Amino acid sequence: SAVISQKPSRDICQRGTSLTIQCQVDSQVTMMFWYRQQPGQSLTLIATANQGSEATYESGFVIDKFPISRPNLTFSTLTVSNMSPEDSSIYLCSVGHWLGREGYGYTFGSGTRLTVV
Amino acid sequence: AQTVTQSQPEMSVQEAETVTLSCTYDTSESDYYLFWYKQPPSRQMILVIRQEAYKQQNATENRFSVNFQKAAKSFSLKISDSQLGDAAMYFCAYSTPRGRRETSGSRLTFGEGTQLTVNP
Repeated sequence: SAVISQKPSRDICQRGTSLTIQCQVDSQVTMMFWYRQQPGQSLTLIATANQGSEATYESGFVIDKFPISRPNLTFSTLTVSNMSPEDSSIYLCSVGHWLGREGYGYTFGSGTRLTVV
Repeated sequence: AQTVTQSQPEMSVQEAETVTLSCTYDTSESDYYLFWYKQPPSRQMILVIRQEAYKQQNATENRFSVNFQKAAKSFSLKISDSQLGDAAMYFCAYSTPRGRRETSGSRLTFGEGTQLTVNP
């Protein structure tokens, strides 16, 4: 299965600033997924990042707030812009991939814990 | 739209005992995958077990097994011989892979999660 390196693992940021989160995959994947996990809650999909085209955002998430880059098949970034305390969450990237006879699976990055003060 | 429901926000079990976590889902698809993920305080998402909808046999992974009832759209997780290290948030999730030739598929839809406590 794929291995994802996600950075930073945590950060404390001032309101009004921006933070860029990076995910590097050790194999080529067509799509990467970005999730937000607010404190004590489940994972919510922010957007799907496809190489060579604009990301597809879920309802409630907009490109101006969460711009995504996908310059190649192994790398993606998510920026949280103009942050407010409500953006304090864990952000995770994920990829899906076939595992041969084992079927289909997903791998997650280790997550970025963001605190906005 | 597909939805996943976990009706137990919290569960507790004595060490060495057995516990079952519930999950139901709603879909009109016939081919899909179901997953149970574990998220300890480290926040890493760890795959516990996976089930393909077209396989009638329930998946098992050591102490973890599922009861997959396709007609009832139910996918419960049984943890046998519970250990202290099993304490975590458990998420049930659903996906419909786009195609077996592609290297990536559709996103995961998660349930609300069940916080499992293991008492010594």
